[in-house]
Amino acid sequence: GAGVSQSPSNKVTEKGKDVELRCDPISGHTALYWYRQRLGQGLEFLIYFQGNSAPDKSGLPSDRFSAERTGESVSTLTIQRTQQEDSAVYLCASSLGPTQFFGPGTRLTVL
Amino acid sequence: GENVEQHPSTLSVQEGDSAVIKCTYSDSASNYFPWYKQELGKGPQLIIDIRSNVGEKKDQRIAVTLNKTAKHFSLHITETQPEDSAVYFCAATPQTGANNLFFGTGTRLTVIP
Repeated sequence: GAGVSQSPSNKVTEKGKDVELRCDPISGHTALYWYRQRLGQGLEFLIYFQGNSAPDKSGLPSDRFSAERTGESVSTLTIQRTQQEDSAVYLCASSLGPTQFFGPGTRLTVL
Repeated sequence: GENVEQHPSTLSVQEGDSAVIKCTYSDSASNYFPWYKQELGKGPQLIIDIRSNVGEKKDQRIAVTLNKTAKHFSLHITETQPEDSAVYFCAATPQTGANNLFFGTGTRLTVIP
């Protein structure tokens, strides 16, 4: 079946611009997660959605970062006024139980 | 909250040798421990997982062991092949159901042909 998909696969933007990254989870998965992975680094938790509960935003690094999820479907991660340090791969995962299934990521480059 | 440490950060082995990656966790309530493999340019993929009611699990050349008393778990890859070269992440979570995973910092495994 279809896995987690993310778009775009690559995004190059100029410093100060806003970007939106999209995640389509596996159908039926109630939980959705966003992570940031800087080059050669581990997974940095950003935000977690579980059903209709309030999202866990404890990992968002600044108020320039926000995310939304429509029901139990697509999610959008928005970064406002991008900075060069935002350059990274942004990974999305979804799950029904404790096992998370990851998408291929969006590589964001801020010039 | 849970803190997962992973060692080593890099590991090089000759093809055919075994590779072992070790992780420790801090929360004794953790009961689910997955391992992910991340190849270059791809998202992490689950390769094996273990729950706290089991001490060892094996899937072909891959095995995971869990020591709840010592709060550590390990990934063992036998008869390594060049395609095993990747970054491996361990993780732990103290709750059942969908929940946030706490990841280790990763191990870059290189299998030398």
